[in-house]
Amino acid sequence: ILNVEQSPQSLHVQEGDSTNFTCSFPSSNFYALHWYRWETAKSPEALFVMTLNGDEKKKGRISATLNTKEGYSYLYIKGSQPEDSATYLCATNDYKLSFGAGTTVTVRA
Amino acid sequence: DGGITQSPKYLFRKEGQNVTLSCEQNLNHDAMYWYRQDPGQGLRLIYYSQIVNDFQKGDIAEGYSVSREKKESFPLTVTSAQKNPTAFYLCASSIESRSYNEQFFGPGTRLTVL
Repeated sequence: ILNVEQSPQSLHVQEGDSTNFTCSFPSSNFYALHWYRWETAKSPEALFVMTLNGDEKKKGRISATLNTKEGYSYLYIKGSQPEDSATYLCATNDYKLSFGAGTTVTVRA
Repeated sequence: DGGITQSPKYLFRKEGQNVTLSCEQNLNHDAMYWYRQDPGQGLRLIYYSQIVNDFQKGDIAEGYSVSREKKESFPLTVTSAQKNPTAFYLCASSIESRSYNEQFFGPGTRLTVL
């Protein structure tokens, strides 16, 4: 079982502020890193799948970077909005994804 | 509408009983997965199937069984051997079971053992 860790476990951010959080994973035998957003009462939805060191992906106000050599990925939310409130999960590797426990983001109006 | 359905949404079971959770997908995906979530923990893989009539144990398969007789269906049976079955169960599918394929998730089933 790969040890995927996410920090912080939760965070509160004021509407309009930007924030970021971390996913760390063992750098050996890396294949792919996934980010999912899980809103309350909904199913987890894929945000990004990243495979290459130095990869940067963006979807609207949300972006992610990947460092496979040191084993971490950052997820950034720019200008947070209440609809960004969710738990953000990262996962890696090969055909069996190992998930972190998630970072729960609460955006305060 | 393409997607994954799970039923029921809430399920109550008496201790010692087996119970089967349904998962159906109409996305024409080859691979399907079952995860379990407990408070404060990440999703943990119970079983996965890469193709019809084939499945493999995940990280926490003890006390569970699955079948994959049809491409669109991957039911999970929680047996009486599962020592702590109360949890939230998520089913997912992907085009293939490769690392770069995103997984699509169902709405989940919350199982409570009374």
